[in-house]
Amino acid sequence: QKEVEQDPGPLSVPEGAIVSLNCTYSNSAFQYFMWYRQYSRKGPELLMYTYSSGNKEDGRFTAQVDKSSKYISLFIRDSQPSDSATYLCAMKDSGGSNYKLTFGKGTLLTVNP
Amino acid sequence: EAGVVQSPRYKIIEKKQPVAFWCNPISGHNTLYWYRQNLGQGPELLIRYENEEAVDDSQLPKDRFSAERLKGVDSTLKIQPAELGDSAVYLCASSAGENREQFFGPGTRLTVL
Repeated sequence: QKEVEQDPGPLSVPEGAIVSLNCTYSNSAFQYFMWYRQYSRKGPELLMYTYSSGNKEDGRFTAQVDKSSKYISLFIRDSQPSDSATYLCAMKDSGGSNYKLTFGKGTLLTVNP
Repeated sequence: EAGVVQSPRYKIIEKKQPVAFWCNPISGHNTLYWYRQNLGQGPELLIRYENEEAVDDSQLPKDRFSAERLKGVDSTLKIQPAELGDSAVYLCASSAGENREQFFGPGTRLTVL
């Protein structure tokens, strides 16, 4: 079992839909949780960063962390065609290797106009 | 501010040939990372530099891969000889410190025939 599991999709939704992306993890040492967005032929860019359990909102994006269930989510409201990309969850611990990001496989999202 | 610059963007070589990738990090970023991203997977760390010192190269296949970061700025990742399984996107990232946000370059897409 990989440390981070993410459904690769692909996921196709109509414009304006609410999108839910999820990851599960097995390493209890993970304390920091991130979502990256990666457009085709580009490098990943940080979208959301959370530390504790709970919700964090930034515009149309909401990141949710449930440490008790080892489950994180990213919600996109009012999705736009420009949101079409691969979304990668990433995690790191708070110990000596706290620079090391462990990524999920990524979920390919297409928002259709 | 310029982002992380990588070249070449694409490289096609035959197996057993050598290949080198170049990275110029964001100005002032002393931490530099090389990742490999296989098709349909998340990035995996190969090596991390703090200034000119390689402080984590545990995931670098040292029989054929080498890296250097002379003068603590630009970095080069080399593969010699390349194998079919090395086909992937090689991403460079930099950060202002080991626990700071990592900014990724666009990557070099390597195809080994």
